[in-house]
Amino acid sequence: QKEVEQDPGPLSVPEGAIVSLNCTYSNSAFQYFMWYRQYSRKGPELLMYTYSSGNKEDGRFTAQVDKSSKYISLFIRDSQPSDSATYLCAMSAGSGGGADGLTFGKGTHLIIQP
Amino acid sequence: IAGITQAPTSQILAAGRRMTLRCTQDMRHNAMYWYRQDLGLGLRLIHYSNTAGTTGKGEVPDGYSVSRANTDDFPLTLASAVPSQTSVYFCASSLEYNSPLHFGNGTRLTVT
Repeated sequence: QKEVEQDPGPLSVPEGAIVSLNCTYSNSAFQYFMWYRQYSRKGPELLMYTYSSGNKEDGRFTAQVDKSSKYISLFIRDSQPSDSATYLCAMSAGSGGGADGLTFGKGTHLIIQP
Repeated sequence: IAGITQAPTSQILAAGRRMTLRCTQDMRHNAMYWYRQDLGLGLRLIHYSNTAGTTGKGEVPDGYSVSRANTDDFPLTLASAVPSQTSVYFCASSLEYNSPLHFGNGTRLTVT
């Protein structure tokens, strides 16, 4: 079993829809959780950063962590064509999200249809 | 504009040749990293540096070397390129070794 699982997609939804992106993981020691957004031919950019369980909201984006189920989600409300990108989850047991022990999912390719 | 600059943006290289990928950051971040990104394999850490003067090996270090002579620069060298090193290479940095990463826009390298 891979340490972090993420459906590669593509996930195609109409503009304005609510998008749900998910990752599952096997390492119960993970406690820092991140979502990165990567546009085509660009580097990943940090979108959301959470510690332990719970929800975090930032504008149209909500990150949710369920440690009991080893499951994290990123919700995008009122999706826009500019949200079309690849979304990578990342997590680590310690080190505050730094590269030490940081494990990335392979990314979900999201397409928002105008 | 503050950030990470990588050069070149793309390169085609003959197998056996030596190549250095350049990375410069102006954010005064202490830690810097090199990743490669391959379809189906995701991002994999090659080498890292927690502070100037120190370096460490990541998940896939073979065939690569790095140096960190100062805070801003972190070059990645392929001593003798092989086709399996065809990839997109991303440099990243973080304020401290335990802070979230900021990435450059990558170097697309093709080894023929």
